[in-house]
Amino acid sequence: TQLLEQSPQFLSIQEGENLTVYCNSSSVFSSLQWYRQEPGEGPVLLVTVVTGGEVKKLKRLTFQFGDARKDSSLHITAAQPGDTGLYLCADPGGTSYGKLTFGQGTILTVHP
Amino acid sequence: DVKVTQSSRYLVKRTGEKVFLECVQDMDHENMFWYRQDPGLGLRLIYFSYDVKMKEKGDIPEGYSVSREKKERFSLILESASTNQTSMYLCASSLQGVITGELFFGEGSRLTVL
Repeated sequence: TQLLEQSPQFLSIQEGENLTVYCNSSSVFSSLQWYRQEPGEGPVLLVTVVTGGEVKKLKRLTFQFGDARKDSSLHITAAQPGDTGLYLCADPGGTSYGKLTFGQGTILTVHP
Repeated sequence: DVKVTQSSRYLVKRTGEKVFLECVQDMDHENMFWYRQDPGLGLRLIYFSYDVKMKEKGDIPEGYSVSREKKERFSLILESASTNQTSMYLCASSLQGVITGELFFGEGSRLTVL
């Protein structure tokens, strides 16, 4: 099972600040997914990145996949309290069974 | 609206009791999963199923079993609950044949074993 390391584990920031969350592995990812989990809810998919060097944007969120496909980052610009939640990266493992391996997550708190 | 429904949001059980956690999805997905979520450990896969009556062990299957008698329903069973099984349990489903397919999660079942 591939190990995914996320950093930082906790982030507490003020509204309007920028932040970056990282996801790293010693092995090459076939692809990578980012999920957000709000309190009391299950995780929800934000994005899937597939190609090395790929950049995807989702409003104020920018996702980057490393050139070597061994790391990924999530950057949030001008964070808002609604961004508060647990951010998880996940490796689909290249099978059609959808069996994901998750990182340990980053807990983000954005204060008004 | 697609939905994964877990039968109980909160359960409190005693050590040694048998516990059933049920999950139903309405998306006709072939794949279903049970994950356990603990602080600082992310989500860890307990069991998954890619077809009716089929099951595969995940990373932490010890102390758990599963049942999939119908395509839409996947049950997690704790034969004899222990305190170290106190956790949040998440059920998920996905379409088969899509390598980058999205997992759809339920809202979770928080189990406390006393």
